[in-house]
Amino acid sequence: QKEVEQNSGPLSVPEGAIASLNCTYSDRVSQSFFWYRQYSGKSPELIMSIYSNGDKEDGRFTAQLNKASQYVSLLIRDSQPSDSATYLCAVDITGGGNKLTFGTGTQLKVEL
Amino acid sequence: NAGVTQTPKFQVLKTGQSMTLQCAQDMNHNSMYWYRQDPGMGLRLIYYSASEGTTDKGEVPNGYNVSRLNKREFSLRLESAAPSQTSVYFCASREQETQYFGPGTRLLVL
Repeated sequence: QKEVEQNSGPLSVPEGAIASLNCTYSDRVSQSFFWYRQYSGKSPELIMSIYSNGDKEDGRFTAQLNKASQYVSLLIRDSQPSDSATYLCAVDITGGGNKLTFGTGTQLKVEL
Repeated sequence: NAGVTQTPKFQVLKTGQSMTLQCAQDMNHNSMYWYRQDPGMGLRLIYYSASEGTTDKGEVPNGYNVSRLNKREFSLRLESAAPSQTSVYFCASREQETQYFGPGTRLLVL
């Protein structure tokens, strides 16, 4: 079983809609969770981090964490074509922030 | 402030050849990382260095060696390249909980 799992997609949403990206993880002791965005041919960049159960909002992005169910999600409101990218979920399993385990990523396509 | 830089951008090797991928950061970060990214496999950690003078294995260290030359530089060496090492290699450095990635090196081993 993979430690961090994501649906590879592609997930297609119309412009202006809400995109919902999901991630599950296997290690219950995980403390820190991250969403990275990666445009095609580019390097990953951090867009959200979340450490506590519940929701964390930053502009059009909302990260949701449910440690009991071992899932973390990313909502993108008012999706724009510029949001089209692969979104990588990452989990700090060891603690201390030193080692991240990444999921394989979900490709998001925002269509006009 | 260039952030994390990597050289070369692209390299073709023949099986058995050796090469070193270079990485440097100008953000005064203690921790640095080497990942490889393959289709369908996501980013996998090869080696990391929590601080100058220390290195540790990640998930896929076989076939690689690293050197933390100083606080700025962290190199990755392939002693005898194999086709299975064809990949995109990313270097990253960390400040608190955020990892900053370099632009990547595309490596093709024939």
